[in-house]
Amino acid sequence: DTGVSQDPRHKITKRGQNVTFRCDPISEHNRLYWYRQTLGQGPEFLTYFQNEAQLEKSRLLSDRFSAERPKGSFSTLEIQRTEQGDSAMYLCASSPGTGGSYEQYFGPGTRLTVT
Amino acid sequence: GESVGLHLPTLSVQEGDNSIINCAYSNSASDYFIWYKQESGKGPQFIIDIRSNMDKRQGQRVTVLLNKTVKHLSLQIAATQPGDSAVYFCAESGFTGGGNKLTFGTGTQLKVEL
Repeated sequence: DTGVSQDPRHKITKRGQNVTFRCDPISEHNRLYWYRQTLGQGPEFLTYFQNEAQLEKSRLLSDRFSAERPKGSFSTLEIQRTEQGDSAMYLCASSPGTGGSYEQYFGPGTRLTVT
Repeated sequence: GESVGLHLPTLSVQEGDNSIINCAYSNSASDYFIWYKQESGKGPQFIIDIRSNMDKRQGQRVTVLLNKTVKHLSLQIAATQPGDSAVYFCAESGFTGGGNKLTFGTGTQLKVEL
């Protein structure tokens, strides 16, 4: 499977714990995006990377959230001191970002439940 | 059947009929638009995109129409099949800055009746 992959698919954690999610983009895609989706809503942009550089962060991304893409390939999203309001589906997408191709392809998501 | 956009979140059609899903976007600076299909428990699946220098684009069984004057986007699905049942989202973006981040609408649930 050469699509975007995310791990884990589901995570249940207690309030106050830290969690980390991983995203592996489509090979050779330069851009990687994180979105958050709550039930019944469309995805909301969190942050994106061009290669290893994090170029934009949404106001939704509080100080408890941090994302990295150290080698320009896979990315991690960490949430510290989780709160119940963090419960959502966290989606990763990748895009070629070059050659006029801007379509974003999404992974299956990581569903986070904070109890 | 035709939805009236975001004010009617559910669209029911008979198998074999054509479906039209509408979307109104708000940012007149947006110049790139995508339609996604999302099945329960899965990530959004790319269907078709269109740039603002076009007003129509066709794919396999799908057509996207863009009316920049009234900031309206529609997705037409021909010969709707049970496998088309899902939530459909339109998304908009601008090429100039912003890294092509997408802003999504709230979605329309398409139900295909046998």
